[in-house]
Amino acid sequence: SQTIHQWPATLVQPVGSPLSLECTVEGTSNPNLYWYRQAAGRGLQLLFYSVGIGQISSEVPQNLSASRPQDRQFILSSKKLLLSDSGFYLCAWGRSGARSNQPQHFGDGTRLSIL
Amino acid sequence: QKEVEQDPGPLSVPEGAIVSLNCTYSNSAFQYFMWYRQYSRKGPELLMYTYSSGNKEDGRFTAQVDKSSKYISLFIRDSQPSDSATYLCAANTGNQFYFGTGTSLTVIP
Repeated sequence: SQTIHQWPATLVQPVGSPLSLECTVEGTSNPNLYWYRQAAGRGLQLLFYSVGIGQISSEVPQNLSASRPQDRQFILSSKKLLLSDSGFYLCAWGRSGARSNQPQHFGDGTRLSIL
Repeated sequence: QKEVEQDPGPLSVPEGAIVSLNCTYSNSAFQYFMWYRQYSRKGPELLMYTYSSGNKEDGRFTAQVDKSSKYISLFIRDSQPSDSATYLCAANTGNQFYFGTGTSLTVIP
């Protein structure tokens, strides 16, 4: 069966510090990978998605970036965090190709607080 | 207009009640319709999904899609305190997914 791991679960960072959140998927190959931010009462905001190694699409211009160095690894980064980057970050995976319309599966998220 | 709209609640019911959670959507091209359950401080967990229209039942849960009215429903029978969570509806076309904002449900023992 497939599993998705995200870490850390909780992170407190000062303004201006760098960020690296990691997500890995097991039990499947060549998944589509997604980063979302979830704000209370505002639903899920898609930040980035990737259909393959090194292929990143950005949905929202901001000071965050994403990378996919390996098939089942997805990383969310920032060089300098802003207060507005606080939130709950979720990684998700979905099937690729002709089955890319099948439901996504989420990790347990990282709660990021910027001080 | 948002692609998927959901009443945020909160919804509070006594244990054993039948719960009805609803969403509306605007895009006729949507293919899969999903319900996710999210416990506090956890990620959304895929609860049920249907492809196109119709009903799907899994234990105490029934998912229903009415494409003529663009309405998505989740029914929970014999609700339990462990059902207390936020429920998100979602729909997609291709690999573009659209999520509701979630309905917070509390089942009181």
